[in-house]
Amino acid sequence: QKEVEQNSGPLSVPEGAIASLNCTYSDRGSQSFFWYRQYSGKSPELIMFIYSNGDKEDGRFTAQLNKASQYVSLLIRDSQPSDSATYLCAVNIQGAQKLVFGQGTRLTINP
Amino acid sequence: KAGVTQTPRYLIKTRGQQVTLSCSPISGHRSVSWYQQTPGQGLQFLFEYFSETQRNKGNFPGRFSGRQFSNSRSEMNVSTLELGDSALYLCASSFDNTEAFFGQGTRLTVV
Repeated sequence: QKEVEQNSGPLSVPEGAIASLNCTYSDRGSQSFFWYRQYSGKSPELIMFIYSNGDKEDGRFTAQLNKASQYVSLLIRDSQPSDSATYLCAVNIQGAQKLVFGQGTRLTINP
Repeated sequence: KAGVTQTPRYLIKTRGQQVTLSCSPISGHRSVSWYQQTPGQGLQFLFEYFSETQRNKGNFPGRFSGRQFSNSRSEMNVSTLELGDSALYLCASSFDNTEAFFGQGTRLTVV
């Protein structure tokens, strides 16, 4: 079992709709969870981080964490074509000072 | 404030050669991590340095090495380059095991 798993997609969402990206992780001791956005040919850009169970909102983005289910998600409201990118879920493995990344979900927002 | 700076942006090397990549973290950040990104393997952790000490290392051969200087700048070195080392090498800085911010990366091509 991979340490961090995401659906590779592609995920296609109409403009203005909600895009929902999901991620599961295997290490129950993981404490920190991150979502990065990566445009083609660019480096990953941090868009959300969450440390506690529940929801965290920042503008059009909401991160959701459920440690009991070992599940973290990212919701993008009012999706825009500029949101089209690969979204990477990353987990900070307990005590290891390293991020483990999922394979990424490619999201396409259709005008 | 200035972000993470990686140099050079692009490199072409021949098999068997060695290469050194440089990373200057965000001012005040003492943790620097290195990652390799390839289409097949995704983002993989190489190593992490904090206050000139390597705190964690990923599953890469000994040809991959790094160091960190007293001003937190970091270098990574790859010796005896192989074709499979062609990748985007990313450096990320953080204050200390917190949110990590990536540089623009160095695209290494081994021919």
